[in-house]
Amino acid sequence: DTGVSQDPRHKITKRGQNVTFRCDPISEHNRLYWYRQTLGQGPEFLTYFQNEAQLEKSRLLSDRFSAERPKGSFSTLEIQRTEQGDSAMYLCASSSGYLGTGGRQETQYFGPGTRLLVL
Amino acid sequence: SQQGEEDPQALSIQEGENATMNCSYKTSINNLQWYRQNSGRGLVHLILIRSNEREKHSGRLRVTLDTSKKSSSLLITASRAADTASYFCATDVSGSTLGRLYFGRGTQLTVWP
Repeated sequence: DTGVSQDPRHKITKRGQNVTFRCDPISEHNRLYWYRQTLGQGPEFLTYFQNEAQLEKSRLLSDRFSAERPKGSFSTLEIQRTEQGDSAMYLCASSSGYLGTGGRQETQYFGPGTRLLVL
Repeated sequence: SQQGEEDPQALSIQEGENATMNCSYKTSINNLQWYRQNSGRGLVHLILIRSNEREKHSGRLRVTLDTSKKSSSLLITASRAADTASYFCATDVSGSTLGRLYFGRGTQLTVWP
């Protein structure tokens, strides 16, 4: 399977615990995005990597959230001291950053997501 | 913040009928993309239409884009029960060098056999 993969697919944790999610993008995709999706809503942007550099962080990403992409390959998203409001689907996407003659034509390919439930 | 809004929020049709979903957005865009999401799963990319395009087809899908009205529509022809899913429009906003997408809340499509 050459698509975006995420692990784990489901995570149940108690409030106050730390959790870490992993995303493996499509190989050779230099751009990697994290989104969060709550019930009944569309995905909301959290952060973006180009290769190993984290270039943008949403205001949704509080100090309890940290993301890394060592060596520009896989990425991890860690949530410290989880709160019930962190319960959501965390989605990872990758793209090649293609620029066509008509401007950016970047397709983001999403993984299956990690569903987090904080009790 | 979510810059796109889909309409209707929910759509229920019979197999074989066509389904039309609309999307409105607020700012200038590089492109607009439609995604499908089955319940509790990840998003599947359906089609991308660039800001200088007006219509695009892919199989049973037809997408239109009207940048003057800041709106797009997704038409699914001859729908099937397997088309049951949530459909999201996502915009790549002009002036952004990063390609982050802004999603709407989605249209929940139910196709009855």
